[in-house]
Amino acid sequence: KNEVEQSPQNLTAQEGEFITINCSYSVGISALHWLQQHPGGGIVSLFMLSSGKKKHGRLIATINIQEKHSSLHITASHPRDSAVYICAVGRGSQGNLIFGKGTKLSVKP
Amino acid sequence: EAGVVQSPRYKIIEKKQPVAFWCNPISGHNTLYWYRQNLGQGPELLIRYENEEAVDDSQLPKDRFSAERLKGVDSTLKIQPAELGDSAVYLCASSLFLGGLNSPLHFGNGTRLTVT
Repeated sequence: KNEVEQSPQNLTAQEGEFITINCSYSVGISALHWLQQHPGGGIVSLFMLSSGKKKHGRLIATINIQEKHSSLHITASHPRDSAVYICAVGRGSQGNLIFGKGTKLSVKP
Repeated sequence: EAGVVQSPRYKIIEKKQPVAFWCNPISGHNTLYWYRQNLGQGPELLIRYENEEAVDDSQLPKDRFSAERLKGVDSTLKIQPAELGDSAVYLCASSLFLGGLNSPLHFGNGTRLTVT
C-alpha cells in the first residue's frame, strides 16, 4: 500500500462544476503539499499546510490531521484547471517529500 | 525571482550513451532535489542535497547514475550508460530547509529523456 493515496485517479468535469480531489496518508507528517502539473512537466506548488484550511482564489485546501486526510477543492472549474494534481507529504526532520500518483483532471468547456 | 532552471528541456539518446542534466536552483535555497517521474506516476526522489552534501541518495542507482552539487549551488545529474528504462522526466526542485521544515518546493520544467 502506498503511503500517500489519492482519489480519484482520473476526473472529468464540465466547466463550472465544483471539484474535490482527496488525499489520504498513512505516516506522520509535518506538512502536506498540493502541487499542480500541466502537460509538459512543470510542477507548481499550490499549497503547503499542516492544519486547517487555506484558500487561494478558486482553490481551497483542507487537512484533517487526526483522520490523515486532505482535500483540494476547485470552485467554478475552468478548462485551464485541467492538469494533474499531486498530493505530497513532508515528514519533519526528513527534507524529502512522499508523493501520491496524482489525479488527472480534465475540465470540458 | 527567477525560478528553478533546468537544461536541456528534451534529450533523445541511444542506449549505452551517456547523458547529463543541469539544474540551477532558486538563489538562497539550500536544498536541491533530483526526481525521476515516469508516465502516470508521481515523482520519485533520486537524490537530495543540503548545500553541497548529498544527505539522501538511497534511491540513486549508483552503478550508472551520479550527481554533484559543487559549491552548493547548481547541480548536474549524469547517467552512464543509459538504458531503455531510464526514459522519464527528470525534475529538479529546490527549497529552503530550516529547523526541520521545508519551504514550499519550487520545481524546474524538467528534462524529458528518451532512450532509444
